[in-house]
Amino acid sequence: EPEVTQTPSHQVTQMGQEVILRCVPISNHLYFYWYRQILGQKVEFLVSFYNNEISEKSEIFDDQFSVERPDGSNFTLKIRSTKLEDSAMYFCAMAGTSVTTAQFFGPGTRLTVL
Amino acid sequence: EDQVTQSPEALRLQEGESSSLNCSYTVSGLRGLFWYRQDPGKGPEFLFTLYSAGEEKEKERLKATLTKKESFLHITAPKPEDSATYLCAVSQETSGSRLTFGEGTQLTVNP
Repeated sequence: EPEVTQTPSHQVTQMGQEVILRCVPISNHLYFYWYRQILGQKVEFLVSFYNNEISEKSEIFDDQFSVERPDGSNFTLKIRSTKLEDSAMYFCAMAGTSVTTAQFFGPGTRLTVL
Repeated sequence: EDQVTQSPEALRLQEGESSSLNCSYTVSGLRGLFWYRQDPGKGPEFLFTLYSAGEEKEKERLKATLTKKESFLHITAPKPEDSATYLCAVSQETSGSRLTFGEGTQLTVNP
């Protein structure tokens, strides 16, 4: 299975602060995703990104969230003003050359908002 | 409402005791059904993709099957290292490429 890496593995922040979560893509993978998983709950889709733009987003992905590939390499998720309810595991995922191919997930970033 | 439901929520087996996990789905236009394994504190690990009813995939002690309404993950002669949460997810033709996940089945295999 292709390896996806994410940094940091754990981020602790104060409510209202901005955080940036990073994902290192697999070469030749074109589709990028962010999901989150609140402790004890199911994995939820946040956003998909293809050809340097958002292709789809969920109702969770409101104005406080943004994504980008600033240098064509790392794929980032920014949360502008964190809330307590943003505490969760955030997973980056990638898929190859088609929307029907499997998505490979990274190990996740545990975000704790105090 | 489109849904993915997994059962049972938790399953405890003895080593060597075969069983099946169920994933039922009510979505319009299934594009693909995916099985993942998730260990505590880790990201989902891809196992299988199934695209059409009647399709089967195998990997070691695991076998996934698909019908028009549900998928089964059969575990043959499980070992303690098979203990994990097994997640089912679907991709729909009307929802881009997002995956919609079920709640998962937490499998424990005792030695």
